[in-house]
Amino acid sequence: QSMLTQPPSVSAAPGQKVTISCSGSNSNTGNNYVSWYQQLPGTAPKLLIHEDQKRPSGIPDRFSGSKSGTSATLGITGLQTGDEADYYCGTWDTSLSAGVFGTGTKVTVL
Amino acid sequence: QVQLVESGGGLVEPGGSLRLSCAASGFTFSDYNMTWIRQAPGKGLEWLSYITTSGRTMFYANSVRGRFTISRDNTENSLYLQMSSLRAEDTAIYYCARRATMTTSHSFDIWGQGTMVTVSS
Repeated sequence: QSMLTQPPSVSAAPGQKVTISCSGSNSNTGNNYVSWYQQLPGTAPKLLIHEDQKRPSGIPDRFSGSKSGTSATLGITGLQTGDEADYYCGTWDTSLSAGVFGTGTKVTVL
Repeated sequence: QVQLVESGGGLVEPGGSLRLSCAASGFTFSDYNMTWIRQAPGKGLEWLSYITTSGRTMFYANSVRGRFTISRDNTENSLYLQMSSLRAEDTAIYYCARRATMTTSHSFDIWGQGTMVTVSS
């Protein structure tokens, strides 16, 4: 099963910004919307972004999404200690007829 | 409130079988496509299987196709995952999740708390 590629970890000081990349191919990120999830320690994932850049109600605008070609990006501004979590991208893979997730990125607030 | 609760996890020997259940409440279950996703200890998320509202169309990851079967009972507001020929690498927390309808993305807006499956002799 193919997986989307994310950096293993990113870090920044409180108040700063981090970006997380998600790289795939034409069969997944290149032609299907990307979603992003936040998984706090010991909890189930939570939907942060859908359709590449849209936030569900209740998600603060500190979280943003974008996509160019086969690469998507999650941005977190005004970093808070509560943002320390694992973040995953996900989408549908048309060739596999299956969903795929990214490898996951751990965000650390220094 | 809107909720998914998984059950059925536990310890099973290699080659054994297990049936997971996911009870839905707080929403019209039959209106939503559903999925199973797992997470091995210390690892990332792995998409496993997906079923449409009617239960007539299913999709599977290559890693479980032929061994796992997804099903649902809309009269019981329940989702199931029948797992057979289990291997050590199937050890994971298994989550059921609801596909979001406010989007055309393959996105999941409600997740259960997960049920742990351990495959070991």
